[in-house]
Amino acid sequence: AQSVAQPEDQVNVAEGNPLTVKCTYSVSGNPYLFWYVQYPNRGLQFLLKYITGDNLVKGSYGFEAEFNKSQTSFHLKKPSALVSDSALYFCAVREDDYKLSFGAGTTVTVRA
Amino acid sequence: GAVVSQHPSWVICKSGTSVKIECRSLDFQATTMFWYRQFPKQSLMLMATSNEGSKATYEQGVEKDKFLINHASLTLSTLTVTSAHPEDSSFYICSARDDRGWTEAFFGQGTRLTVV
Repeated sequence: AQSVAQPEDQVNVAEGNPLTVKCTYSVSGNPYLFWYVQYPNRGLQFLLKYITGDNLVKGSYGFEAEFNKSQTSFHLKKPSALVSDSALYFCAVREDDYKLSFGAGTTVTVRA
Repeated sequence: GAVVSQHPSWVICKSGTSVKIECRSLDFQATTMFWYRQFPKQSLMLMATSNEGSKATYEQGVEKDKFLINHASLTLSTLTVTSAHPEDSSFYICSARDDRGWTEAFFGQGTRLTVV
């Protein structure tokens, strides 16, 4: 079975500082990896994906992620965090039939 | 990206009653939709895969008679929580796969169910 792990429950950063949310994966075959963000009492918003190609993937709202095959990681990054980036972030891997397996989630708090 | 609309956003019902939640793909067709359940500050747990015109596929441990899924058209899937009890209170989220071949899934805004 395919899975992802998010080792940090919480990440706290100051506004304007770089933000990194970690994700590692375990798959058989080529990974289809995704990052989603969730605001309170809302559904999930798609941020970015890695399917194939360049290891550095750029997504919505200034976020990017780096796919690292040797370290089986897909960390989410933003060079300069905003207070409005405070939310719950999920890493996910796509299984057969488009089912998604999610990590436990990381709560990001950006302080002003 | 494609838009998925989920209704209602929140619902409060009495124990023993049934509640229906709708998931619609607004600007695309979706042969396959997914239903997830999320507990507070936890991850999403896949409940079932909804397939248009056929029976849903339930994940292990999910009671199919408790959580009835109907996918009668290419743009609508419904989840009915039957004989609801307080332990069914949760946040339910649907997602849809765009038949045009998008690799990412699109999510509804979720439904907060409270059973009293």
